Amino acid sequence: DIQMTQSPSSLSASVGDRVTITCRASHSISTYLNWYQQRPGTAPQLLIYAASSLQGGAPSRFSGSGSGTDFTLTISSLQPEDSATYYCQQSYSTPLTFGQGTNLEIK
Amino acid sequence: QVQLVESGGGVVQPGRSLTLSCAVSGFAFNFSDYAFHWVRQAPGKGLEWVSLISFDGTYKNYADSVKGRFSVSRDNSKSTLYLQMNSLRTEDTAVYYCARVKEAYRAAMARVLGNWGQGTLVTVSS
Repeated sequence: DIQMTQSPSSLSASVGDRVTITCRASHSISTYLNWYQQRPGTAPQLLIYAASSLQGGAPSRFSGSGSGTDFTLTISSLQPEDSATYYCQQSYSTPLTFGQGTNLEIK
Repeated sequence: QVQLVESGGGVVQPGRSLTLSCAVSGFAFNFSDYAFHWVRQAPGKGLEWVSLISFDGTYKNYADSVKGRFSVSRDNSKSTLYLQMNSLRTEDTAVYYCARVKEAYRAAMARVLGNWGQGTLVTVSS
């Protein structure tokens, strides 16, 4: 199975800050990497797919990059509604695996 | 807009069975074109993939943690997905989500979870 490791596990930032979350895969997964946002008490929502493609309806302040084993999710200018947990997920092979999540708090 | 609505969750004793359903609807959406997944989330924990079923139901795959105990199926005439869960364990306690793949007929999108239901809680406890 491919292991996904996110860092940091949690972070706190202020409105307007630039925030970066990283995800590392235990094996090369090309660009088969997706990011999901989960607000408290709600279902996850697809944010970025194929490492860098923005899902329809997602704000343009979100961007993704990377290939192989190292990936990043960047929020260019943090907004209050971005308070959530973010998960990376590899879609290279089954079993699908997720990172442990990054809990983003707004100061 | 696609809607996925899970049902069937509840409290069940260890060793017993439960079947979850996921009813899917949406304008200009053909249920039988899409593969679906089940993903679960234990209380306060992260996401764990459970199962995958192909668009026509001929291909199914499971996480090792549920293999041999859970069975996924679909009824394309009812636009409904099912997860039969047998020999339930306390560690199966979780919110169970069904999710539709992002796009039909594209292998690269077959494991991208584009639309999710709201989830149904399964509690396994004596």
